[in-house]
Amino acid sequence: AQTVTQSQPEMSVQEAETVTLSCTYDTSENNYYLFWYKQPPSRQMILVIRQEAYKQQNATENRFSVNFQKAAKSFSLKISDSQLGDTAMYFCALIRGNQFYFGTGTSLTVIP
Amino acid sequence: ETGVTQSPTHLIKTRGQQVTLRCSSQSGHNTVSWYQQALGQGPQFIFQYYREEENGRGNFPPRFSGLQFPNYSSELNVNALELDDSALYLCASSWNRGNYGYTFGSGTRLTVV
Repeated sequence: AQTVTQSQPEMSVQEAETVTLSCTYDTSENNYYLFWYKQPPSRQMILVIRQEAYKQQNATENRFSVNFQKAAKSFSLKISDSQLGDTAMYFCALIRGNQFYFGTGTSLTVIP
Repeated sequence: ETGVTQSPTHLIKTRGQQVTLRCSSQSGHNTVSWYQQALGQGPQFIFQYYREEENGRGNFPPRFSGLQFPNYSSELNVNALELDDSALYLCASSWNRGNYGYTFGSGTRLTVV
């Protein structure tokens, strides 16, 4: 079975500062993909960043980067230079086959 | 390129009734997945349709059923609604069941009273 755990229900960060969201997961697979999705009040899940498990290099996407520790099954998201538009729910997810497994989310508030 | 469109956006139903939710997939996508997101939770996989056939199902009872049409749009049907079916229902489309390239819609908020 696949599980994804996000232990921080809520977080806040000052505008322009850096924040890190934590995620751990469990899977018996060796090849899998990990994702961070953002869900603003509009409710649409928006892909933030993706990591292939077979790649050792951490993925980056502009202000967003991950710290992928495969042995520890840890996949944290770092947001640099936080902006007001980053305020949203953030979900960590793992995909196995055709099915996403999502964590319970972290509500991030960026404070002006 | 159009995104994923879901209708209706909000819906209120009475316990025991039946409901149909609709999803238009993104142009060029042939796979549609449905997820249920209860309040304060992450989305849970209901099932996936690929080229009009069910291609995997999560831990949901048979009263949750679906269809995919030749144009790759999809419907989610829920019979005998229960209070616990109240949730946001998300549709996601992709090309060939890929491990990336999923596009989500904005969901249908279903309230069962």
